[in-house]
Amino acid sequence: EAQVTQNPRYLITVTGKKLTVTCSQNMNHEYMSWYRQDPGLGLRQIYYSMNVEVTDKGDVPEGYKVSRKEKRNFPLILESPSPNQTSLYFCASAVLSGPYEQYFGPGTRLTVT
Amino acid sequence: DAKTTQPNSMESNEEEPVHLPCNHSTISGTDYIHWYRQLPSQGPEYVIHGLTSNVNNRMASLAIAEDRKSSTLILHRATLRDAAVYYCILRRETSYDKVIFGPGTSLSVIP
Repeated sequence: EAQVTQNPRYLITVTGKKLTVTCSQNMNHEYMSWYRQDPGLGLRQIYYSMNVEVTDKGDVPEGYKVSRKEKRNFPLILESPSPNQTSLYFCASAVLSGPYEQYFGPGTRLTVT
Repeated sequence: DAKTTQPNSMESNEEEPVHLPCNHSTISGTDYIHWYRQLPSQGPEYVIHGLTSNVNNRMASLAIAEDRKSSTLILHRATLRDAAVYYCILRRETSYDKVIFGPGTSLSVIP
């Protein structure tokens, strides 16, 4: 089954404790992206990647890092999480040609206390 | 990137057609209009996209104004499962740069 998986689905952590949210897709997509979703603000893009070793900032990259060492994986790293990073995070992937539809993962709900 | 504006919320009766509007007055010639929807507690899912002509697929229809400054997503017969937040976004064919989702339209379907 074609899918985007994220782990963990739920995470509660404390300020300053480094964490990584993993994202993996099995569709051989070149493009991958991370979004955060907050009430009233819709989806905001954090980082995106158009291929291995190619990453770019989205609208709200501050406080986040990403890496793309393999085509299928695109982890989101919070080196020193803060309470304002409490949010619902979505990973997405897509091909770079055709209808460009993005496939989204199920989401990771992160709470930073 | 060009921005889109949508009503915050809409209501529809079950089994009636729903027309969800989107304004994109600063759209450029190479921008495609994409629609996604997000069901409660799920990630967004692709619905439909188009450039200039109206488009139909199994989920919905997309009507694009002649000047391309607005578009309408049409659900032909709303069901309770169509209750979701609907997002209209613009994407360039040759560029996969930043994606901007607005707050979207929250559609309620009344039985």
